[in-house]
Amino acid sequence: ETGVTQTPRHLVMGMTNKKSLKCEQHLGHNAMYWYKQSAKKPLELMFVYSLEERVENNSVPSRFSPECPNSSHLFLHLHTLQPEDSALYLCASSQESRSNEQYFGPGTRLTVT
Amino acid sequence: AQSVTQLDSQVPVFEEAPVELRCNYSSSVSVYLFWYVQYPNQGLQLLLKYLSGSTLVKGINGFEAEFNKSQTSFHLRKPSVHISDTAEYFCAVPRDNYGQNFVFGPGTRLSVLP
Repeated sequence: ETGVTQTPRHLVMGMTNKKSLKCEQHLGHNAMYWYKQSAKKPLELMFVYSLEERVENNSVPSRFSPECPNSSHLFLHLHTLQPEDSALYLCASSQESRSNEQYFGPGTRLTVT
Repeated sequence: AQSVTQLDSQVPVFEEAPVELRCNYSSSVSVYLFWYVQYPNQGLQLLLKYLSGSTLVKGINGFEAEFNKSQTSFHLRKPSVHISDTAEYFCAVPRDNYGQNFVFGPGTRLSVLP
């Protein structure tokens, strides 16, 4: 595997379910990110991990819980979601610097029923 | 605060025609500028970036962009588009002088028509 991978690619869950999204980067980067991409809305940064430490949490509801066990893996744990949480969730990684681009995974399309 | 404006939400263009996607930015920190592309059912991919030096930046797939400091713009151009260029295009700037968080524009959907 190369680049940034995400599993699952598609997920349908009920509002009472608990599920997790997984992201893995094979690029040796030291920063990882979760984004939410909804239709008709700009890309929203949710969480940032730098050297496995959470450095940013952009007012994300507690029903989203990130975990970064090491520099290559990032999880997003989901519980008691709402229909408005349906979106494409993108993971990205980078070597932390203002001049470095982020590398994105293909995303998980989440539908909350 | 940093911000990015992409005035055109949708741009339809015929195959082999030229295209320009507009991006204007507001930044109080050193300006680095990025263009990303998102093909259907995929994540974002870097097209090109401006860090310093020549204001004309060439990227992948025949795209280029020109940094214009006086007009605070970084418009993306391609002289002849293909059907495969149909995608969403995002302009982005670093949010601050620290770390590496971006402010993304709302995106421009380029539709290339046969």
